[in-house]
This record gives sequence, C-alpha cells and structure tokens, in this order.
Amino acid sequence: QKEVEQDPGPLSVPEGAIVSLNCTYSNSAFQYFMWYRQYSRKGPELLMYTYSSGNKEDGRFTAQVDKSSKYISLFIRDSQPSDSATYLCAIFTNKLIFGTGTLLAVQP
Amino acid sequence: DSGVTQTPKHLITATGQRVTLRCSPRSGDLSVYWYQQSLDQGLQFLIQYYNGEERAKGNILERFSAQQFPDLHSELNLSSLELGDSALYFCASSLAAGYEETQYFGPGTRLLVL
Repeated sequence: QKEVEQDPGPLSVPEGAIVSLNCTYSNSAFQYFMWYRQYSRKGPELLMYTYSSGNKEDGRFTAQVDKSSKYISLFIRDSQPSDSATYLCAIFTNKLIFGTGTLLAVQP
Repeated sequence: DSGVTQTPKHLITATGQRVTLRCSPRSGDLSVYWYQQSLDQGLQFLIQYYNGEERAKGNILERFSAQQFPDLHSELNLSSLELGDSALYFCASSLAAGYEETQYFGPGTRLLVL
C-alpha cells in the first residue's frame, strides 16, 4: 500500500466553482501535511501546511485533515483560470512523501 | 521565481553515460534536497544535505550520488544511465532541516536518456 494516495483526476471545472482535491494516507502517525501547486514546466510551490487535525484557511484555499479517516483535502473556492495546475498532497516524516498529483483545469 | 537555480535546464544523453546536475540554493538556505519526477512514479525524494552533510536518504539508486559543497551548492551525479532514468530532476532548498521548513523548488532539469 502506498503511503499517500491521491485522486488522479484530471479535473475540469468552470470558473467560480468550488474544487475539492483529496488524498488518503496509510500511517496514522503522520502529523504534517502539505499541499503543493505545480504549474506546467515549473517546480512545485508550497500552498498550505497543516499540523495534525483540523482546518486551515488562506484566502480562497482551505486545507482539511481528518485523522480518524486518514483523509486530507484541499478546497478551492471561487476557482480561477489561474488556479489551473497540478496539485500535490504531501506528508512530511523525515522526508516529503508526495501523492501523484491531480491535474486541475479551470475553464473561463 | 523561487531563488533556487538549476543547470542545465535540459539534458539529452545516451544510455550508459554519466551526467551531473547542479543546484544553487536560495541565499542563506543550508539544506538542499533532490527529487525525481516521472510520469509513472510521481515526485520522489532522493536525498537531502544540510550544511554539507547528508541528512536523509530516499529512493536513491546506487548509480546516483550527490554532494553539497562548502559554498552550499549541490550536485547530483547520475551514472550508467538507463532509459528509465529519463525524468525531471528537481532541487529544493530550505533554511534549516526540520519539518517546519518550507522547501523552495527550482525549475528542474529535464533529462532524456536515449
């Protein structure tokens, strides 16, 4: 079983939609969860970082961790064409373990 | 622009060859990480250096090696290259080495092995 599994997508939504991106993880000891965004032909950049359970909000982005079900989510409100990218969930142990990424396209 | 630079941007080589990828971290960052991104494996951690010392190791093949120099730049050496080594190789840097440190990724080196 992979340590982190991510819905592969791709996902195509109209501008203004709410987007939900999801990952599951295998080890209940994991505590540090991240979401990275990667534009085409660029390196990943950190979007959100969450420790343990709960929600964290930053503008239009909300990261959610449900430790009971080992589920992590990223919600994007009022999605924009500029949000079109690959979104990678990641878990930090002594190294970053990434999901395979979900390609999101927001159509104007 | 993350402030992390990687050279070269693209590299085309043949099987059996050896290549060196170079990374300059952001100014002030002591920690450097190397990652490999391929279509089938996704983004995978290879190795981390902190202030010249190896700090953590991931799925790095024995044919691959890395080092961090006194000026903190790092090189990733890939030898006896195989077709399957074709991938994007990213370098990232952070100020220190802990979980709370944001890793800043460079633009990557695209390696094609023919």
